[in-house]
Amino acid sequence: DAKTTQPNSMESNEEEPVHLPCNHSTISGTDYIHWYRQLPSQGPEYVIHGLTSNVNNRMASLAIAEDRKSSTLILHRATLRDAAVYYCILGRTANTGNQFYFGTGTSLTVIP
Amino acid sequence: DAGVIQSPRHEVTEMGQEVTLRCKPISGHNSLFWYRQTMMRGLELLIYFNNNVPIDDSGMPEDRFSAKMPNASFSTLKIQPSEPRDSAVYFCASRTGGPASGNTIYFGEGSWLTVV
Repeated sequence: DAKTTQPNSMESNEEEPVHLPCNHSTISGTDYIHWYRQLPSQGPEYVIHGLTSNVNNRMASLAIAEDRKSSTLILHRATLRDAAVYYCILGRTANTGNQFYFGTGTSLTVIP
Repeated sequence: DAGVIQSPRHEVTEMGQEVTLRCKPISGHNSLFWYRQTMMRGLELLIYFNNNVPIDDSGMPEDRFSAKMPNASFSTLKIQPSEPRDSAVYFCASRTGGPASGNTIYFGEGSWLTVV
């Protein structure tokens, strides 16, 4: 399995930046790092993904360590709507099928 | 754009009955995933299809579970006979590209199954 490790929970004040860490020490050279989030009673939704370089999109930024064994999802200004469970996943590209294995994720609480 | 469409959204059934969950992937996507989510076990990958062919079914819990993808626009997950421990939210997801693509997957809204 492509295992990732995340803190079970984090808190942030509204309007402040949030840094969500993820360790993936077993990552292989061709694995993509994906982040998804799941709002209550909904399916997971895509947030961002990357391979080696840092990535930015309208939702967040992804900072990838130089050795790729860890990454950080950055929400620049947390809002109440960002309260969700955030999952860090490795998208394996090996011929075994590129499965997306979800860990337990980080439950983010945003405090007004 | 229509996303991944799942049906039924909610189902309550009696133990021993057959349950069939349905999924229509996003048009043009050639990979399809079935996941199960419970409080105890989180999100578990059950099976993964690529070009309608099952690539990895190692997550299917037991013989009572079966999944098919007869064509590129339809998949089913069947439980027969159902048991109370099968109560969960079942998600279908789809994606473009094959095993080496690393592409994003898109989830449906889930089928909420309760077996009593």
